[in-house]
This record gives sequence, C-alpha cells and structure tokens, in this order.
Amino acid sequence: KNEVEQSPQNLTAQEGEFITINCSYSVGISALHWLQQHPGGGIVSLFMLSSGKKKHGRLIATINIQEKHSSLHITASHPRDSAVYICAVHGGATNKLIFGTGTLLAVQP
Amino acid sequence: SAVISQKPSRDICQRGTSLTIQCQVDSQVTMMFWYRQQPGQSLTLIATANQGSEATYESGFVIDKFPISRPNLTFSTLTVSNMSPEDSSIYLCSIPGPGGYEQYFGPGTRLTVT
Repeated sequence: KNEVEQSPQNLTAQEGEFITINCSYSVGISALHWLQQHPGGGIVSLFMLSSGKKKHGRLIATINIQEKHSSLHITASHPRDSAVYICAVHGGATNKLIFGTGTLLAVQP
Repeated sequence: SAVISQKPSRDICQRGTSLTIQCQVDSQVTMMFWYRQQPGQSLTLIATANQGSEATYESGFVIDKFPISRPNLTFSTLTVSNMSPEDSSIYLCSIPGPGGYEQYFGPGTRLTVT
C-alpha cells in the first residue's frame, strides 16, 4: 500500500463543474503539498498545508490532520485546469517528500 | 519563488548513450534534488546534491548510472549513463523554499530512449 493515496486516478468534468480530488496518507507529516503538472512535465506548487484550509482564486485546499486526509477543490472548472494534480507529503521516517501517483483531470468545454 | 531552468527540455537518445541534464537556479541554494518520473508513475527522488560534497543517492540509484555534479550554489547536472528504454522518463530538478518545506520544481526534461 502506498503511503500517499489519491482518488480518483482519472477525472473528466464539464466546464463549470465543482471538482474534488482526495488525498489520504498513512505517515506522520510536517506538511502536505498540492502540485499541478501540465502535459509538458513542469510542476507548479499550488498549496502547502500543515493545518486548516487555504484558498487561492478558484482553488481551495483543506487538510484534516486527525483523519490524515486532504482535499483539493476547484470551483467553476475551466479547460485550462486540465492537468495532473499531485499530492505530496513531507513525512515518514526521513521527512522527505512522498508523492501520490496523481489525478489526471480533463475539463471539457 | 525561485526561477529554475532545465536544459534540454526534451531529447530522444539511442540506447547505450549518455545524456547530461542541466539545472540552473536564479538564487543560491545549498540543496538541490533530482527526481525521476517514469510514465504513469509518481515522482521518485534520485539523489540530493549539496554543493561541496558528494551527492546522496536514494535506494535503487547509483552514482555510476546517475553521476551528479554540483560545481556551485546555482547549478547542477545529472547524467543518465548507458541509457536503456527503461530510462525514458521526465527528469526534474527541485530546490527547497526558504521555509524548508516549500518545494520549487524545474520545468523538467522529457527523455525518450529508443
């Protein structure tokens, strides 16, 4: 079992829909990241969380430390949101980044 | 946030050859990380490169296959040696942010080995 699990693996949405991507982890963490990877391969950091909730534009990230769970929400989704979204945690025995396998999001016009 | 560039952005190489990937950062950093992302997989840390010392490799990665240079605080190279099709991946360099937990990534190098 992976230490960081994401669901769903693939997600197709219509433009304007509200989207939720989930991340569960099994190790103690110092921080959790949500990353966005576009088809070219480059990765952009969206959020870093250690508690509570953060909002940036149409993106919202929440984390529940007790339940070891985080969610990334996208409101009013747009085709340009199409990308792979990756959850990663600083944790485990080494405190290095541990990555989930990503969620491939396709937003159709 | 830091600006990180990588060269080349992509390459197609023949089996048995080697490719050196460059990573340039616009600020001085002590630690740089090299990751590999195989098709459909999550990122895997190859090694941590500290300026002035030997790189620290993760389990499953060895210096003979992935030699790393770190000549100064803004630059690093990763060489993929004696390539095989299994080395076809995206290779990314990364640096920690000022708080220690933030992470900035380069644009990646997409390598295809034929």
